[in-house]
Amino acid sequence: AQTVTQSQPEMSVQEAETVTLSCTYDTSESNYYLFWYKQPPSRQMILVIRQEAYKQQNATENRFSVNFQKAAKSFSLKISDSQLGDTAMYFCAFMKSNNDMRFGAGTRLTVKP
Amino acid sequence: GAVVSQHPSWVICKSGTSVKIECRSLDFQATTMFWYRQFPKQSLMLMATSNEGSKATYEQGVEKDKFLINHASLTLSTLTVTSAHPEDSSFYICSALLHGGAADTQYFGPGTRLTVL
Repeated sequence: AQTVTQSQPEMSVQEAETVTLSCTYDTSESNYYLFWYKQPPSRQMILVIRQEAYKQQNATENRFSVNFQKAAKSFSLKISDSQLGDTAMYFCAFMKSNNDMRFGAGTRLTVKP
Repeated sequence: GAVVSQHPSWVICKSGTSVKIECRSLDFQATTMFWYRQFPKQSLMLMATSNEGSKATYEQGVEKDKFLINHASLTLSTLTVTSAHPEDSSFYICSALLHGGAADTQYFGPGTRLTVL
């Protein structure tokens, strides 16, 4: 079975600073996808960034980037120039090639003014 | 693009009644949709995978006779909670799978808060 571990239940960062959220996973699959989703207080799940396991290059989306270490099974999210609107729960997710997705427990991020 | 809607956004019902939740992909076709359940301050737990034109696949421990899923079209999946009880009160979230060139991605609906009295 695939497991996703987010070891930081809560984190905080000052506005405009950079923060990194950790995620590790365990799988025997060779082909899979990794995602970070954001869930603000509205509870709408919003896709932040995704990474294909076969790609060595780390994905980036504006202020969001990942550090994907396949051998270490690590998939951290870096948020640069943090904004107040980034305050939310962040979930790391693993999806197998059959589209079965599993989520980590989440990290609650608070951006302080 | 990739918008998914859910209806209703919240519902309160009496114990023993049935409640239907709709999940629609508004701007793309989805042969596969998923239903999740989220308890307060917890992560999403997959309940079942809904496939258009075929039976849903349920996760271990999820009662298929209690949580009826119908994926009648490429844009609509429904979850019916039958004979609801207070322990069924939760936040239910659906997602629709968008097939992409690089990666398939799940896009989520806004969720439905169910309260069973």
